[in-house]
Amino acid sequence: DAKTTQPNSMESNEEEPVHLPCNHSTISGTDYIHWYRQLPSQGPEYVIHGLTSNVNNRMASLAIAEDRKSSTLILHRATLRDAAVYYCILRLPQGGSEKLVFGKGTKLTVNP
Amino acid sequence: NAGVTQTPKFRILKIGQSMTLQCTQDMNHNYMYWYRQDPGMGLKLIYYSVGAGITDKGEVPNGYNVSRSTTEDFPLRLELAAPSQTSVYFCASISRRGGSNQPQHFGDGTRLSIL
Repeated sequence: DAKTTQPNSMESNEEEPVHLPCNHSTISGTDYIHWYRQLPSQGPEYVIHGLTSNVNNRMASLAIAEDRKSSTLILHRATLRDAAVYYCILRLPQGGSEKLVFGKGTKLTVNP
Repeated sequence: NAGVTQTPKFRILKIGQSMTLQCTQDMNHNYMYWYRQDPGMGLKLIYYSVGAGITDKGEVPNGYNVSRSTTEDFPLRLELAAPSQTSVYFCASISRRGGSNQPQHFGDGTRLSIL
């Protein structure tokens, strides 16, 4: 499984944008980039995923570098509810068992 | 729609006791997973199942057993509880029928302490 590297922690102020980086220099051409987040005392929840093009949904945006060796999860206006651990994960589109390999993620603190 | 339901939410066991963590999903998902999460760490895969009657080991299977007799249920069994199994356990499921890259759905976890 290809590895990802994320900062251990980041801090933001409420209502400001947040850019969460992820490096994945060994990504293969068929790996999708997935983001999950884990709120305190809850299970992980899916946020967004993409392959090459930037993606938007109601929760966030995903910006993918042209060489695909890095990506950035963008929360456009952070709220207190966005305080969580964010995981960047690489997945094959139809890979075998669909296993997710979690690193330690980035702990996001949102200040009021 | 309940999604993935785990029971119990909390449990304290004595060393050497056994127990079963229950997981059920009502989304007709064919793939199911068990993860454990130690404090401050990411999730590690224990076992997974690609359908009823089929299970396989993940990254940390020692000390655990699973079965998958129905699509809905995927119980995790601890036979001889050890302090190293103190952790939060998450069950997850995914459908492979809707095409590629479907998101995994997680339960709220079972917090297990072994003393």
